[in-house]
Formats: sequence, C-alpha cells, structure tokens
Amino acid sequence: EAQVTQNPRYLITVTGKKLTVTCSQNMNHEYMSWYRQDPGLGLRQIYYSMNVEVTDKGDVPEGYKVSRKEKRNFPLILESPSPNQTSLYFCASSRGGWETQYFGPGTRLLVL
Amino acid sequence: AQKVTQAQTEISVVEKEDVTLDCVYETRDTTYYLFWYKQPPSGELVFLIRRNSFDEQNEISGRYSWNFQKSTSSFNFTITASQVVDSAVYFCALSEADTGNQFYFGTGTSLTVIP
Repeated sequence: EAQVTQNPRYLITVTGKKLTVTCSQNMNHEYMSWYRQDPGLGLRQIYYSMNVEVTDKGDVPEGYKVSRKEKRNFPLILESPSPNQTSLYFCASSRGGWETQYFGPGTRLLVL
Repeated sequence: AQKVTQAQTEISVVEKEDVTLDCVYETRDTTYYLFWYKQPPSGELVFLIRRNSFDEQNEISGRYSWNFQKSTSSFNFTITASQVVDSAVYFCALSEADTGNQFYFGTGTSLTVIP
C-alpha cells in the first residue's frame, strides 16, 4: 500500500530535550516536505527536499533541522524544543514540487 | 502577504443545502497549480483536486465542483446537496512552477453540516 508514515504519532516532551520525528514514504517520490498545523494558521511549510541531499527552508524553519540521506526518509529534528513548537506536524511526499502531495497521518507534539 | 486567502473561517449549513468555499490566491507566475484538500475530524489530509493555471475549465466530480477564474485569482469549491460527512476543514493551496518547490496553504475553512 502506497503510504507516508510518521513516528511517533503522539509525543510529549520537555523544553530543551532533543527529539526526532521520522517520516518515510514507499512511493519513490522525489519531493518530501514537513508542515506544522496550528489553529487559525493553516498548514505552514517548515522544510522541503527536492531530492537526496537537497533541502530548503519553507516559511517557518526556525528551530528545526532536516536531513535527506535516503530518498524514502525525511526526518524532522528539534534540537532544543520550546513550547511554541507545540503543534500538529505533517510529513508529505510527491513526485515533484508542484505535484499532488500525499500526507502522513500527523504527529501531535506537546512541549512542556 | 498571504499567498492563499480563505476568508471564510467557519461555515454552517443544513444538510442538503449547497455551499461554496472561497479561495483567492496571489502569484506572479504564469504557471502555477492549485489544490484543495479535505481534513475530516479524524485529522488526515485528503487530496481533492489539482488544477494548473492553463486549464480554466470548471470541474465536477459527483457533488463537488470547482470554479477556477484567473481574472479574479479565485479557485472556489462548491458542494451540492451537502451531507453530514462533508463536515471537515477544507484547505486551498498554491504551488508556483517558477520555484516549483514551496507549497502555500490557506488557513482553511471549517464546514459544519447540520443534520
């Protein structure tokens, strides 16, 4: 089954404790992306990657890191999480930047 | 400035009514792509439609239809004979071909269909 998977689905952590949210797709897509969803703000793009070893900042990259060492994986790293990073995070993949994006199930993060 | 504006934050309709969700976008590119996604209460994001800037034909898919007007930079979504299962948050999105990379989502419209 073609899908985008994210882990964990739910995470509660404390300020400053590094965490990684994994994202994996099995559709051989070139493009992958991370978004955060906050009430009243819609989805905002954090980082995106057009291919392996190529990543670019989206609208809200501060406080986040990503890497794309393999085509299928695109982890999101919060080196020192803060409460303002409490949000719902979505990973997505597509054949290209302007193609239809397919989303993972979301990761709900609470930073205390 | 917002690239994609969904001015309707919340809409409530009674079942079987028609409802139109508005989407206005802003771009200088001649080639761009517009999307609608649905987010039901369960939280997943479901793709509904993708249109490119060269195709202004309206599209109908069952009870769903989309009206794309470049002259007004709008890509509106109409649900005919709404049903309770249509209750969801709907997002409009834009991707510009010149950059081809960033996706811009609107803030979403929360639709509630009352039985």
